[in-house]
Amino acid sequence: GNSVTQMEGPVTLSEEAFLTINCTYTATGYPSLFWYVQYPGEGLQLLLKATKADDKGSNKGFEATYRKETTSFHLEKGSVQVSDSAVYFCALSDLGYGKLTFGQGTILTVHP
Amino acid sequence: GAVVSQHPSRVICKSGTSVKIECRSLDFQATTMFWYRQFPKQSLMLMATSNEGSKATYEQGVEKDKFLINHASLTLSTLTVTSAHPEDSSFYICSARARTDSNQPQHFGDGTRLSIL
Repeated sequence: GNSVTQMEGPVTLSEEAFLTINCTYTATGYPSLFWYVQYPGEGLQLLLKATKADDKGSNKGFEATYRKETTSFHLEKGSVQVSDSAVYFCALSDLGYGKLTFGQGTILTVHP
Repeated sequence: GAVVSQHPSRVICKSGTSVKIECRSLDFQATTMFWYRQFPKQSLMLMATSNEGSKATYEQGVEKDKFLINHASLTLSTLTVTSAHPEDSSFYICSARARTDSNQPQHFGDGTRLSIL
């Protein structure tokens, strides 16, 4: 079956630091890959996505590249802000925006 | 943007009580809704998928008689935890999608924290 493995947190960074949250997956076929973010007290929001190999998803300064050869979709941001503090979930779907398989989530805390 | 409202946000009740959680799409018609469960420090696990007008499809290991799902209309799905026990305590999250094709994203509710005493 499908599975997603995320870098364990929590991750604590200072403002303007570089962020990487690792994500690897196991799936049959060619899944779509997603990063979702959950800010404190809120629901999940789609941060970015990639639907095929070598696609790069980007949004709000965050980027992730679909690497089929390493089955990875690592999330990066060059300079984090306090407002980026949240829980980040990597996810995959076999069919577009269909059933999602989530990673365990990574808590990010950014200090001023 | 698309909004999904989930209610209640938190519920505490005694063992043996049945609890209903509502998931509403506020500005779009949701042909498909998903119900997830999240344990502390763990991932979201899909419980079931419901399409308006048909029975919900439950994931393996999820008791359909325990977790009753009703996709009552194109804007409302309910999850009823019947005769809840402490092991049912968890964070339940719904999501809704506007169309059955793959090009519409899921929009998530804010979740419901269920605590069974």
